Amino acid sequence: ELKVEQNPLFLSMQEGKNYTIYCNYSTTSDRLYWYRQDPGKSLESLFVLLSNGAVKQEGRLMASLDTKARLSTLHITAAVHDLSATYFCAVEREYGNKLVFGAGTILRVKS
Amino acid sequence: GAGVSQTPSNKVTEKGKYVELRCDPISGHTALYWYRQSLGQGPEFLIYFQGTGAADDSGLPNDRFFAVRPEGSVSTLKIQRTERGDSAVYLCASSRTGGTEAFFGQGTRLTVV
Repeated sequence: ELKVEQNPLFLSMQEGKNYTIYCNYSTTSDRLYWYRQDPGKSLESLFVLLSNGAVKQEGRLMASLDTKARLSTLHITAAVHDLSATYFCAVEREYGNKLVFGAGTILRVKS
Repeated sequence: GAGVSQTPSNKVTEKGKYVELRCDPISGHTALYWYRQSLGQGPEFLIYFQGTGAADDSGLPNDRFFAVRPEGSVSTLKIQRTERGDSAVYLCASSRTGGTEAFFGQGTRLTVV
């Protein structure tokens, strides 16, 4: 059974600081997604990572994938308040099939 | 519409009642997914449709839950004899085909009292 673990589950950061969220998964997978969710809102797709060594960047966020280690990271550079949200990683168990989500990381960026 | 639309946005029902939740996927998307998100947790898979057929319904928790997509577009998630434990946000997502990026709707918040 595919399991996805994120850590930390809660992260309080000062503006301007850097930090990394980790996502470990238990079995081989085809692809990995990162989503952002604001309170009371739905999931916004941030990144889709398809292969080992994939790295994608958008603004202050950068995601990477190491399929051999079954690990993805979401790195936050020089955090700003607008990044406060819950971040989920999700792993696609089989091509075209369901996503298995981590528990989410609640990020709070303090001024 | 431009995105996945779910109705109602909120539903409060009494224990034991029947509810229907509706999902309008993005036009042209053949794959449709239902997920359930409990407070403080990540979404959990319920069912996946490819066209009109349920390709994977392994996430439905029991036989009180059922979903249909009769014309390959709109889907309805049906819950019979609701229980307080069914309270959650029910999310629908669609993708162009199975295996491509899925886009999520705003969800229906179901509260069973």
